[in-house]
Amino acid sequence: QITLRESGPTLVKPTQTLTLTCTFSGFSLSTSGEGVGWVRQAPGKAPEWLALIYWNDDKRYRPSMKNRLTISKDTSRNQVVLTLTNMDPVDTGTYYCTHEGRFKVGMNMVRGLLVDSYYYSMDVWGKGTTVTVSS
Amino acid sequence: DIVMTQSPLSLPVTPGEPASISCRSSQSLLHRSGHNYLNWYLQKPGQSPQLLIYLGSNRASGVPDRFSGSGSGTDFTLKISRVEAEDVGVYYCMQALQTLITFGQGTRLEIK
Repeated sequence: QITLRESGPTLVKPTQTLTLTCTFSGFSLSTSGEGVGWVRQAPGKAPEWLALIYWNDDKRYRPSMKNRLTISKDTSRNQVVLTLTNMDPVDTGTYYCTHEGRFKVGMNMVRGLLVDSYYYSMDVWGKGTTVTVSS
Repeated sequence: DIVMTQSPLSLPVTPGEPASISCRSSQSLLHRSGHNYLNWYLQKPGQSPQLLIYLGSNRASGVPDRFSGSGSGTDFTLKISRVEAEDVGVYYCMQALQTLITFGQGTRLEIK
């Protein structure tokens, strides 16, 4: 069973850096195909995807926030860390850690070999941690 | 960015009756694999979103068969054959075709 738990400060001041930790179980980020991401949700709003890191250290970021976001992993501790610099009141919300599920969609020919093809997407979410940005 | 638009935004339903939610994308979500990169999630009150449907029409593990997804390209539908009290919450569609994943604005299902 896959579980994820977010931890970090509940209150940060404007201009400060937010550091959130996702501690997970039920899978390993050293296993090929695995990934962990972050999504946030402002009060009463739709979720907003932020960042993703894969087992091979491939990282993806929300383009409009790329200069403020950093995602990293500690495979030995089963943790993923997200930092968001220069916090602003508009960054207030609930931050979720997510697991990238892998769903087989077919097979592809790669360099003469038939290999499985997968669709990766968020399948399990943590309970979330609420962050308020206020002076 | 791919913009996802849901309708209706609010959906009052009598228990036992069917319900339908529409989701439209600003670009086709049909991947070269032939699959539509579209998920549906339900966020129950006070909880985190849970995956209902992936690739447009595949139910996630443990999801009751009263939930079904259909559509292709830019038009998708989530149907609940017979609404139960536990189905209340906000339903979101989400596209995963582009690296920048985007969600619809949500449809709030409530029991009449």
